[in-house]
Amino acid sequence: AQSVTQLDSHVSVSEGTPVLLRCNYSSSYSPSLFWYVQHPNKGLQLLLKYTSAATLVKGINGFEAEFKKSETSFHLTKPSAHMSDAAEYFCVVSKLKGADGLTFGKGTHLIIQP
Amino acid sequence: GAVVSQHPSWVICKSGTSVKIECRSLDFQATTMFWYRQFPKQSLMLMATSNEGSKATYEQGVEKDKFLINHASLTLSTLTVTSAHPEDSSFYICSASGTSGRARETQYFGPGTRLLVL
Repeated sequence: AQSVTQLDSHVSVSEGTPVLLRCNYSSSYSPSLFWYVQHPNKGLQLLLKYTSAATLVKGINGFEAEFKKSETSFHLTKPSAHMSDAAEYFCVVSKLKGADGLTFGKGTHLIIQP
Repeated sequence: GAVVSQHPSWVICKSGTSVKIECRSLDFQATTMFWYRQFPKQSLMLMATSNEGSKATYEQGVEKDKFLINHASLTLSTLTVTSAHPEDSSFYICSASGTSGRARETQYFGPGTRLLVL
């Protein structure tokens, strides 16, 4: 069995300040982990993925995440928030590399204050 | 690369009718396609997994006779909601993964189809 816990349902930061979205996972397998972003009325977009290569993963739009097995965490960070980053973010775990259905976290709504 | 489309983007239907939603991979061969459902302000829930040419595998609690899935080619999967009822109103999202290129080891999502059953 596998599960994902996103620790914050809402995160609010000021534009230009760092972003931290927290995610913990549970998996009986060596997991693949992903972060997806969903803007209002738009489809899900892949930000980045971890598939047992480098533990620090760089994604699009300046986001990155670090896989920490000892902490079972995969937190998403960005050094400087932009207004366009306001969206819903999902931490996702997969049993196999893309060949299995994904288990989604409940999502974190990121709010950017001007 | 790795673009997935869905059609229609939204649909309104009467209770008791059937609705078909298409999911297409536009620039890669999707050996596996997935169907998810998302209720307002909630996360995505996997409904079923389909492999090209095989019967779909449904998640626990999903009625296979109500949500018919066909994956007849490497670029097209369809979800048919049969005898739709108001409680079937939701946002349906498909994803696809392939065996090569960007689509390997990653699922790419369609833009979703919003279904409203009156």
